[in-house]
Amino acid sequence: SAVISQKPSRDICQRGTSLTIQCQVDSQVTMMFWYRQQPGQSLTLIATANQGSEATYESGFVIDKFPISRPNLTFSTLTVSNMSPEDSSIYLCSVEFRGNEQYFGPGTRLTVT
Amino acid sequence: TQLLEQSPQFLSIQEGENLTVYCNSSSVFSSLQWYRQEPGEGPVLLVTVVTGGEVKKLKRLTFQFGDARKDSSLHITAAQPGDTGLYLCAGYSNSGYALNFGKGTSLLVTP
Repeated sequence: SAVISQKPSRDICQRGTSLTIQCQVDSQVTMMFWYRQQPGQSLTLIATANQGSEATYESGFVIDKFPISRPNLTFSTLTVSNMSPEDSSIYLCSVEFRGNEQYFGPGTRLTVT
Repeated sequence: TQLLEQSPQFLSIQEGENLTVYCNSSSVFSSLQWYRQEPGEGPVLLVTVVTGGEVKKLKRLTFQFGDARKDSSLHITAAQPGDTGLYLCAGYSNSGYALNFGKGTSLLVTP
């Protein structure tokens, strides 16, 4: 498996501002993923981030709202832009190992006021 | 989108009881994964089942993949308070890289 860390662990932000979430992995991985987990809900995939290429976004998520960087094989960032209270969620990054297993970071709990 | 339905949604039991939670779909999955998520943490992978009819055991947890690879179950024997958490099943979509998650079963085990 892998050790995955996220920063910040939590934040409270004002409407209209942006927050960048960092995800660091202790080994090189090809595929990294960003998920959102709204209160009391399951996980929804936002986008897949591969090093050296543009992120691939799922239906309902756009790059202008959730820009993603993947500068190397151990690091990625997700920015939540122009936030509104509806963006209050837990944001999770994950990595894929052994072709069919994903391991998750501890999550970033975001509250937008 | 391949939907995964989990039942029950909530389950509250006493320590020592047995329980089974279910993960069902009308779609065939190449594999299914079970995760447990505790409050304030990310999901932790428990097991991956790949072969139809496969049974895997992890201490007091028994996982089964349906013969048709459309459903799975998780049975916990003699539940303990440490088993409390949100149990999520997930399967890969047809694209092969996106994990679809069920809504989870929230389990509370009281002493």
